[in-house]
Amino acid sequence: RKEVEQDPGPFNVPEGATVAFNCTYSNSASQSFFWYRQDCRKEPKLLMSVYSSGNEDGRFTAQLNRASQYISLLIRDSKLSDSATYLCVVNLISNFGNEKLTFGTGTRLTIIP
Amino acid sequence: DGGITQSPKYLFRKEGQNVTLSCEQNLNHDAMYWYRQDPGQGLRLIYYSQIVNDFQKGDIAEGYSVSREKKESFPLTVTSAQKNPTAFYLCASSIQGPGDEKLFFGSGTQLSVL
Repeated sequence: RKEVEQDPGPFNVPEGATVAFNCTYSNSASQSFFWYRQDCRKEPKLLMSVYSSGNEDGRFTAQLNRASQYISLLIRDSKLSDSATYLCVVNLISNFGNEKLTFGTGTRLTIIP
Repeated sequence: DGGITQSPKYLFRKEGQNVTLSCEQNLNHDAMYWYRQDPGQGLRLIYYSQIVNDFQKGDIAEGYSVSREKKESFPLTVTSAQKNPTAFYLCASSIQGPGDEKLFFGSGTQLSVL
């Protein structure tokens, strides 16, 4: 099983719709979780952190489900500018107690006019 | 403006050649990283450094080398031992070490083999 797993998509969604995607992680000791956004052939940028209580930033909502070991990202009222690849990132703790950020393969989202 | 700068944007390597990718940051960050991105795969950590004159291997260090002689600079050399070097290489920095959520990335270098 991959340490961090995402549906690669693509998700093709009409403008204005709501879209959600999940990311599962294998290590139950993982402590922190993030969503990054990456535009084609550009660098990833931090979109938002994911907290146990869930958190919202404008049209974006992130949730964490520790029992089922997944995080989710919900985008409401999608805009053309939301078209990008969304990377799930997990802070994994190794057997030696070392921390390391592990990136998922990303979910590609295209918003259709 | 503070940031992290990678050069060149595109690089071509001949068979048996070593090439060096540059990464410079003026954010005063202690930690710097090199990642490799291949289609259909997540970013994979090559090397990282938490302090000047010290660096650690990541998950895929074979065929690569780094140096950290200055806080601002963390160049990556792709040696001839790396048999499949074609990829998008991303340099990053952060205030803290591995596990720090806020990574600042450079704009990347696309390396291709001639």
